[in-house]
Amino acid sequence: GQQLNQSPQSMFIQEGEDVSMNCTSSSIFNTWLWYKQEPGEGPVLLIALYKAGELTSNGRLTAQFGITRKDSFLNISASIPSDVGIYFCAERYNNNDMRFGAGTRLTVKP
Amino acid sequence: NAGVTQTPKFRILKIGQSMTLQCAQDMNHNYMYWYRQDPGMGLKLIYYSVGAGITDKGEVPNGYNVSRSTTEDFPLRLELAAPSQTSVYFCASRVNTEAFFGQGTRLTVV
Repeated sequence: GQQLNQSPQSMFIQEGEDVSMNCTSSSIFNTWLWYKQEPGEGPVLLIALYKAGELTSNGRLTAQFGITRKDSFLNISASIPSDVGIYFCAERYNNNDMRFGAGTRLTVKP
Repeated sequence: NAGVTQTPKFRILKIGQSMTLQCAQDMNHNYMYWYRQDPGMGLKLIYYSVGAGITDKGEVPNGYNVSRSTTEDFPLRLELAAPSQTSVYFCASRVNTEAFFGQGTRLTVV
């Protein structure tokens, strides 16, 4: 089946630093989704991408849909302690179900 | 609106016991999902439903059953609990691209 590979698995950064993480797939996607999960909560949608090359921002977060349609990255600028959590990429596998990568666990040190 | 409500929040089961994890949404979404999240891992899709009366298997359906008799409810049934089913279970509903998650049920099988 299709696989979503996220990297890095975890990141430990200092407050104020920028962060970059990415997701690659073995197949071409029509939609890339980025979710954030805070401790003890369910994931929440951050950004949705629909077209190859699309670059979308949500505050300090920026995500891009790769030209090959097999990858996407998420950047966080000027990190703050509340950015802590697990960031997941996701895709709609066959337009009905929805599958997630393994996540990038972000720790921000004040 | 309450969004997606999961009950119970925590449960300890003995091996071989059965239980039903409840999930209800009040947003009139057709799509609903059950995921499990093992420690330090991403979300694995168990079952999903595209509408009342229709369900389908995800990546890891073995040991689980679901039903969808109404748009609002999507219960997940464990018939013979095994230690491998110790996990956090998330229910979600979706409209268009965005999925909304419940707060999770933490299940321990001993």
